[in-house]
Amino acid sequence: GAVVSQHPSWVICKSGTSVKIECRSLDFQATTMFWYRQFPKQSLMLMATSNEGSKATYEQGVEKDKFLINHASLTLSTLTVTSAHPEDSSFYICSATDREASPLHFGNGTRLTVT
Amino acid sequence: AQSVSQHNHHVILSEAASLELGCNYSYGGTVNLFWYVQYPGQHLQLLLKYFSGDPLVKGIKGFEAEFIKSKFSFNLRKPSVQWSDTAEYFCAVKGTGFQKLVFGTGTRLLVSP
Repeated sequence: GAVVSQHPSWVICKSGTSVKIECRSLDFQATTMFWYRQFPKQSLMLMATSNEGSKATYEQGVEKDKFLINHASLTLSTLTVTSAHPEDSSFYICSATDREASPLHFGNGTRLTVT
Repeated sequence: AQSVSQHNHHVILSEAASLELGCNYSYGGTVNLFWYVQYPGQHLQLLLKYFSGDPLVKGIKGFEAEFIKSKFSFNLRKPSVQWSDTAEYFCAVKGTGFQKLVFGTGTRLLVSP
């Protein structure tokens, strides 16, 4: 089946630094990628939708200057958490799809801890 | 905007018991419906999906779900659960096309052997 690879799986960084998370579709071309955030014991909250070659669409309340998303190719999207703060500590999950009628394929997630 | 409600936050069952997890959604147009499962320490996996056609959908591992349009529901069922079904289950809905997928809050299922 379709595989989405997310890297790193966990990262610890100091407050004020930036962290980049990569999401790759390994065996299909991801027309659209979605970035989610999951707080402990809560559901996944959509942060943004990105289409290859265009600017990401952010959900209400998500700071686009803080969470930079780049979808430069059909197999790679990156999420950069800029000037991270402890409140940004969370589990970030990417997902990808290649067709309208396809379900999403999820990466394993990245646990970010900001100290 | 669409929304999803899962009424059961925690469910505890014994092996061989029957399972039904509720899912209700709110959306003004044609929907695609999904159930995802997240086993401990693993990523989300698709259990089953409904796009159109037969409202009774069969998925992997013996799970099924029934889309009842009049009730805006898509409940997940399994006649006899196993210990290995212990996981968190998420109902999700999106409109047709490249619409965003909205998740419910999830239901944690614990199956005791």
